[in-house]
Amino acid sequence: KQEVTQIPAALSVPEGENLVLNCSFTDSAIYNLQWFRQDPGKGLTSLLLIQSSQREQTSGRLNASLDKSSGRSTLYIAASQPGDSATYLCAASTDSWGKLQFGAGTQVVVTP
Amino acid sequence: EPEVTQTPSHQVTQMGQEVILRCVPISNHLYFYWYRQILGQKVEFLVSFYNNEISEKSEIFDDQFSVERPDGSNFTLKIRSTKLEDSAMYFCASSDWTEADTQYFGPGTRLTVL
Repeated sequence: KQEVTQIPAALSVPEGENLVLNCSFTDSAIYNLQWFRQDPGKGLTSLLLIQSSQREQTSGRLNASLDKSSGRSTLYIAASQPGDSATYLCAASTDSWGKLQFGAGTQVVVTP
Repeated sequence: EPEVTQTPSHQVTQMGQEVILRCVPISNHLYFYWYRQILGQKVEFLVSFYNNEISEKSEIFDDQFSVERPDGSNFTLKIRSTKLEDSAMYFCASSDWTEADTQYFGPGTRLTVL
């Protein structure tokens, strides 16, 4: 069974610093991996999706990498802003039907 | 921008009652999902739905739960005889399988069982 872990559970950085968020998974036979943002009491906003054949994806200040052999994905957020404060979730899909297995998330606070 | 919508945003019910949570997926999407998140816990997969049938379901999705696409736009989750432990945020998601399998989530329905 796929297990997804995110460490640390919480992170606080000053504005302008780069953020590095880690995600690890136990089964390297993933179909894809998706990163989400969740604001308190809100739904999940998709940030990036990396297919199993890809090594990284970029969108604006966000870059996500995928290393299947080591069972890791990393989300980089450049030049963090207070508006980036949220919980970031990673989720791995191990089949074509799309079932996502989520990590517990990393709660990020960016201080002005 | 198209989005997934869910109603109601908050549902309070008595234990043993039936509830129906409603979702309107993005219009051209073909794959639909329900997830739930108990307070302080991970988001958990419940069920996926394609071509008017369940394609995959989790151990959580027992006979108490059912899903339906009653028309061309709505996708519902029915919970029969609710239990206290069903209290959670329920998220609907959809994907079109052409946009790199990205799943788009709705804002959720907070279900409180008393």
